[in-house]
Amino acid sequence: ETGVTQSPTHLIKTRGQQVTLRCSSQSGHNTVSWYQQALGQGPQFIFQYYREEENGRGNFPPRFSGLQFPNYSSELNVNALELDDSALYLCASSQPGQLYRGYTFGSGTRLTVV
Amino acid sequence: SQELEQSPQSLIVQEGKNLTINCTSSKTLYGLYWYKQKYGEGLIFLMMLQKGGEEKSHEKITAKLDEKKQQSSLHITASQPSHAGIYLCGADLSGGNYQLIWGAGTKLIIKP
Repeated sequence: ETGVTQSPTHLIKTRGQQVTLRCSSQSGHNTVSWYQQALGQGPQFIFQYYREEENGRGNFPPRFSGLQFPNYSSELNVNALELDDSALYLCASSQPGQLYRGYTFGSGTRLTVV
Repeated sequence: SQELEQSPQSLIVQEGKNLTINCTSSKTLYGLYWYKQKYGEGLIFLMMLQKGGEEKSHEKITAKLDEKKQQSSLHITASQPSHAGIYLCGADLSGGNYQLIWGAGTKLIIKP
């Protein structure tokens, strides 16, 4: 079975720009969660999508938005980038009822805002 | 203060020695996940605990969830260089099964 794939791996953007990060979930998983991880900290929950609907959201402003597609892949969009948005963005897929197997994480996208 | 506290923040251990990492919550842990992360990379799933008193093992790593479901420990026996990395605990604190709250991580260095 394939794992979670994220693209791009690295990205440099200018403050005020917009960015789109992509995630392909593991085969058989219909739920995707996005996390932001600043250097030296644990991940912070951004939101989760289940069957193309937002299923929960963390404490992030509306300029963080997402989509999930019929094939369960997902996008994270961030508008009006700020310097503090510089972080590792992680995507994790899961299957409800099988959380004992854990969430499968991608390798992340390292976003640098200058 | 953080909802999920991990200790210690960092650990340097001689190869072959045992070690323990702790994860403590002020709320009930409905599900507790242990992951390992190489610097700047994705998270690798180790174990998930849900029931009070539960204990799981995989190779030389054992994780326990205490009876009151507010603390978990991760124990590594006879540490090896491959155990080096950052260990993170993540928890479902609401029972909603969608948002995980994470500790800040424990950085483990193995000295040869």
